[in-house]
Amino acid sequence: QSVLTQPPSASGTPGQRVTIFCSGGSSNIGNNTVNWYQQLPGTAPKLLIYSNIQRPSGVPDRLSGSKSGTSASLAISGLQSEDEADYYCAAWDDSLNGVLFGGGTKLTVL
Amino acid sequence: EVQLVESGGGLVQPGGSLRLSCAASRFTFNNFWMHWVRQAPGKGLVWVSRIDRDGSRKDYADSVKGRFTISRDNAKNTLYLQMNSLRAEDTAMYYCARAISESKKGCGFWGQGTLVTVSS
Repeated sequence: QSVLTQPPSASGTPGQRVTIFCSGGSSNIGNNTVNWYQQLPGTAPKLLIYSNIQRPSGVPDRLSGSKSGTSASLAISGLQSEDEADYYCAAWDDSLNGVLFGGGTKLTVL
Repeated sequence: EVQLVESGGGLVQPGGSLRLSCAASRFTFNNFWMHWVRQAPGKGLVWVSRIDRDGSRKDYADSVKGRFTISRDNAKNTLYLQMNSLRAEDTAMYYCARAISESKKGCGFWGQGTLVTVSS
């Protein structure tokens, strides 16, 4: 289906590992790469992961991405208070001929 | 570091028009695809449009097709979004974004955005 589904919220305590999932379909994640973005309150989005698993320079290796079939995930280990933000997955959709964003997941560090 | 500065946002009445600009610097503008993405207040990211390096290919979200036009001036290192027949639901922060790399077209580096409010 031409929609990317993310849980609206996730949480963890400092030091914990948290995983955010993104579910799509054959026309998007199943046939194209996935990117992940972080948006801190009041700021522009920032690219965290591209091409499913690649980290841009400057992104710490405690963040990692993976993809399997029509789903993808972003894992954050060693959770820190500064990780509290909204996280979005995105992928090209061949049916829509456009970029699809997931609805976003608000991560709370307890 | 890559710099993208959006401008042109503001308050406009329903049915009106606005042209957004995105001034790019510190990278070779004509080597990268460019995007517009919007975010309504308190909502998620929604892709609007993208344009290839020389402006020959343009793609649009269904919600803006026929009303919005993306363009670029590579001599001026500037990306544009002409928005016509604006509706209340077009109210959002509009971000321009550069492709991740010269070969990867997804949204990479983002500007700080310009706010568009459609209201009477």
